Amino acid sequence: NAGVTQTPKFQVLKTGQSMTLQCAQDMNHEYMSWYRQDPGMGLRLIHYSVGAGITDQGEVPNGYNVSRSTTEDFPLRLLSAAPSQTSVYFCASRNTGTTEAFFGQGTRLTVV
Amino acid sequence: QQQVKQSPQSLIVQKGGISIINCAYENTAFDYFPWYQQFPGKGPALLIAIRPDVSEKKEGRFTISFNKSAKQFSLHIMDSQPGDSATYFCAAQGGANNLFFGTGTRLTVIP
Repeated sequence: NAGVTQTPKFQVLKTGQSMTLQCAQDMNHEYMSWYRQDPGMGLRLIHYSVGAGITDQGEVPNGYNVSRSTTEDFPLRLLSAAPSQTSVYFCASRNTGTTEAFFGQGTRLTVV
Repeated sequence: QQQVKQSPQSLIVQKGGISIINCAYENTAFDYFPWYQQFPGKGPALLIAIRPDVSEKKEGRFTISFNKSAKQFSLHIMDSQPGDSATYFCAAQGGANNLFFGTGTRLTVIP
């Protein structure tokens, strides 16, 4: 099992560009989520999904879109990148009804 | 608004010493309190967790102490080792809902 796989590992964007951060899991988990990690701020929830076709906003959703067309994939889209979106992004998954969340290795995004 | 408050931000401990990290929460709907460990360049991984029906949980050198009335919980690392050097996050979750994290503590264990 690969667990939770995130691509790319590193990305540099120019302000205003768009991009999609990919997240895939092979554990058949219903629940998936995106967090951003910033120094001194911990991990903050961006968006989450409790199953295919169902998504909802977390604590800091502005500037990000998500969709969940399959159980395995949960991409995060930046529509128009801003320097404030420079961060490390983590995708996580778990089974609904269980508590342990499994994290990917992260995507380090820099917006210049 | 930070749902879970964590301190200290950084901690330096001698090898063999005890590392203590503290967290506090306000939302009484939280019923699951995990600690995650993160090494540089990696994603967080579950270390140990507790539910509020017990006051303490121990796994090896790692112990969570939980004070429900004070809405506080802490992680104690006994006999701290250089390999424990990492960032530690406390977190809280209510029911099947989302996980809210503290701001993290960077632990450095000096040989």
